[in-house]
Amino acid sequence: QLLLQESGPRLVKPSETLSLTCTVSGDSVSRGYYWVWLRQPPRKGLEWIASISHSGDTYYSPSLKSRVAILLDASKNQFSLILTSVTAADTAVFYCARGRYCSGGGCYFDNWGQGTLVTVSS
Amino acid sequence: DIVMTQSPDSLAVSLGERATINCRSSQSVLFRSTNKNYLAWYQHKPGQPPKVLFYWASTRESGVPDRFIGSGSGTDFTLTITSLQAEDVAVYYCQQYWSPPLTFGGGTKVEIK
Repeated sequence: QLLLQESGPRLVKPSETLSLTCTVSGDSVSRGYYWVWLRQPPRKGLEWIASISHSGDTYYSPSLKSRVAILLDASKNQFSLILTSVTAADTAVFYCARGRYCSGGGCYFDNWGQGTLVTVSS
Repeated sequence: DIVMTQSPDSLAVSLGERATINCRSSQSVLFRSTNKNYLAWYQHKPGQPPKVLFYWASTRESGVPDRFIGSGSGTDFTLTITSLQAEDVAVYYCQQYWSPPLTFGGGTKVEIK
């Protein structure tokens, strides 16, 4: 059974860097899937942030591209999200997920972590 | 970017009745050579992660009850719940995976009347 679990600080100060890790069990991040970060701000819809393929190809949301990085650590079977210069607008539930049938960076998401609420506040 | 527009924003349906959710993409997500639509539907309940219901617009994910039907092609898609059950109360999202940036509709909240 595939399980994804987000971890990282729940509270980040404005202008600082948000770092989250997704630990994958039941599958290898080195296999032929994409690994993805998404978020949902309070009372808003779902937003895709970034994807990384098993071979390291990366895709980013244009609206966040200047502040975001997604990394793969096959030795730990994890992938990570780095979001710099955060503001209150970055407060959201962050989800990690697995991408399926990915072509040219386009995937749907068949398995999701439970999500973690990250609040940006001083 | 492909803009996904869902309607209605919310709907209230009696138990056992039909619920219909519409999703329109700003450009076609149909790959003609394979006749596949790069469109997925998700169900999102409070406190849980979203759950995929359909991919390729109409391929039901394993375990999804057959009262859920995904249909449509090109730019216009529909998610139908043929007989609403109490456990179907949720927000439903469509998502295009034709190309990055991957985009979602705004969501449709389904409630019991």
